[in-house]
Amino acid sequence: DAGVTQSPTHLIKTRGQQVTLRCSPKSGHDTVSWYQQALGQGPQFIFQYYEEEERQRGNFPDRFSGHQFPNYSSELNVNALLLGDSALYLCASSLRAGVTDTQYFGPGTRLTVL
Amino acid sequence: QKEVEQNSGPLSVPEGAIASLNCTYSDRVSQSFFWYRQYSGKSPELIMSIYSNGDKEDGRFTAQLNKASQYVSLLIRDSQPSDSATYLCAVTGFQKLVFGTGTRLLVSP
Repeated sequence: DAGVTQSPTHLIKTRGQQVTLRCSPKSGHDTVSWYQQALGQGPQFIFQYYEEEERQRGNFPDRFSGHQFPNYSSELNVNALLLGDSALYLCASSLRAGVTDTQYFGPGTRLTVL
Repeated sequence: QKEVEQNSGPLSVPEGAIASLNCTYSDRVSQSFFWYRQYSGKSPELIMSIYSNGDKEDGRFTAQLNKASQYVSLLIRDSQPSDSATYLCAVTGFQKLVFGTGTRLLVSP
């Protein structure tokens, strides 16, 4: 049973650049959520995708955008990178119609903005 | 007021002891409660989920939920050095996980 996968593992960018992170959900899951985790903090909800639409959004600026594909995989795009965007970006998948809303996390992408 | 609060620790316990981790939350409509374990540099790993008041046991782990008092706790029995990690409490209302900042647990041999 394939778990949640993310790519790339690490990424180094400079201020002002744009970045795209990718996520494939756990087999059988149809919902993807993205989180940002700064050092020493808990993960912060960015947004959630279901049926190729953004269903919920956290308190993040429009520089953060996403997409979900028909195969349920998802991308997170960040434009005009700031130093403060350096963090671990986590993707979590779940089953929308499931009895529970348990979310399972991928290994994460470590983004460093210089 | 933070939505989910945890003591950041570190909580230090000797090997074989019981570790008790606590979490309070502010949103009364929260429906699902989770404990994740996160090793340094790794992603969160689900340990326990709990949805109704009372205790839920899974191996060495017991989750306790009290919705009236808005707190959830995690007990780890027979703590091992490999349990040393940050434990994240998370709650959901509408498919969105809200995390605390985590409690760092150190288990000494």
